[in-house]
Amino acid sequence: EIVMTQSPATLSVSPGERATLSCRASQSVSSNLAWYQQKPGQAPRLLIYGATTRATGIPARFSGSGSGTEFTLTISSLQSEDFAVYYCQQYSNWPPDTFGQGTKLEIK
Amino acid sequence: EVQLVESGGGLLQPGGSLRLSCAASGFTFSSYWMHWVRQAPGKGLVWVSRINSDGSSTSYADSVKGRFTVSRDNAKNTLYLQMNSLRAEDTAVYYCARGASAYSLWGKGTTVTVSS
Repeated sequence: EIVMTQSPATLSVSPGERATLSCRASQSVSSNLAWYQQKPGQAPRLLIYGATTRATGIPARFSGSGSGTEFTLTISSLQSEDFAVYYCQQYSNWPPDTFGQGTKLEIK
Repeated sequence: EVQLVESGGGLLQPGGSLRLSCAASGFTFSSYWMHWVRQAPGKGLVWVSRINSDGSSTSYADSVKGRFTVSRDNAKNTLYLQMNSLRAEDTAVYYCARGASAYSLWGKGTTVTVSS
């Protein structure tokens, strides 16, 4: 099973600033990596797939990078609605699909 | 509207059984792989099961293998999860999700609570 490790667990950033979230895979997943956003009481929403491709309707301030075992989600200028929990997920080697433990992005 | 709507959750005792449903609308359900993902209270996302588009192939997390069964009825645009021998650790919100790779569409979830 591929283990996904996200860092940091909590990230405190001010609105308008840049946020950088990391995700590491225990073995290569190529570019088979997705990022999801989850707000309290809501279902997750797909942000990024294929490590770098924004999903339909996702603002350009969200960007993904990386391949192999190291991945990054960058939010270029944080808006109030971006404060949430973010999960990475690998779908390269399944079963199981595996998620990271999440990064909580909170207002500084 | 493109959506997934889960139902069937509830409160039950350890050892009990429950069947969850996920009704799909607004897209060609029979063309998509589907998944169940769960989230225990205050915890992260955990993949539970997947089924391919015609229902001929399924897979499960080790934690539910032998107890849960995923199925689908493409004529009814509905995904199911039969859950048997339920344990306290199965308590979670259960989401259905669409996608052969990344999960592009999620339902809002249904809550399963297993407690004596």
